[in-house]
Amino acid sequence: AQSVSQHNHHVILSEAASLELGCNYSYGGTVNLFWYVQYPGQHLQLLLKYFSGDPLVKGIKGFEAEFIKSKFSFNLRKPSVQWSDTAEYFCAVNINQAGTALIFGKGTTLSVSS
Amino acid sequence: DAGITQSPRYKITETGRQVTLMCHQTWSHSYMFWYRQDLGHGLRLIYYSAAADITDKGEVPDGYVVSRSKTENFPLTLESATRSQTSVYFCASRATSGPYEQYFGPGTRLTVT
Repeated sequence: AQSVSQHNHHVILSEAASLELGCNYSYGGTVNLFWYVQYPGQHLQLLLKYFSGDPLVKGIKGFEAEFIKSKFSFNLRKPSVQWSDTAEYFCAVNINQAGTALIFGKGTTLSVSS
Repeated sequence: DAGITQSPRYKITETGRQVTLMCHQTWSHSYMFWYRQDLGHGLRLIYYSAAADITDKGEVPDGYVVSRSKTENFPLTLESATRSQTSVYFCASRATSGPYEQYFGPGTRLTVT
């Protein structure tokens, strides 16, 4: 069965530090990839997505992610985090079939201290 | 632009009771989904629906029932609530064709005592 692995369960950073959250998936075919963010007490919001084309995708709030097909990875990055980035981050995969739901990783909690 | 709404936002119920969580979307999206979010498990799919009157099981369907008589509504029923069903439940929707981006509702926090 397809799965998504997020390597870091909890990441603690100081403001202005750089961020990289790992995400790997297990499926050899065409995939659509997503990063969602969940701020405390809120619902999931889409940060960015990859479907095709340039493997480096840019999302909202200065986030970006790089799709490396050979590594089955879609890592999330931000050069300089802010206190307001404190949230839970979920990587998700859709295996490009109509009707298939997203498969989520277990999430990474990011805590940013000011 | 209401988007996708869920009700109630918070619910406390007793073991054995029937509970229905409501989900409503205003985009006329064909697909709708129910997930539960638990610490250490991320989001797990309970049921999904491709259109009115078409539903299918996800990863964790046991103890849940869904229906979809209208495109815009996708209620989730716990027939006889158990403590293990204490969770936060998210409804989501997406359009028929790609991209396969899902839009999430605000969630319902359910506590079963």
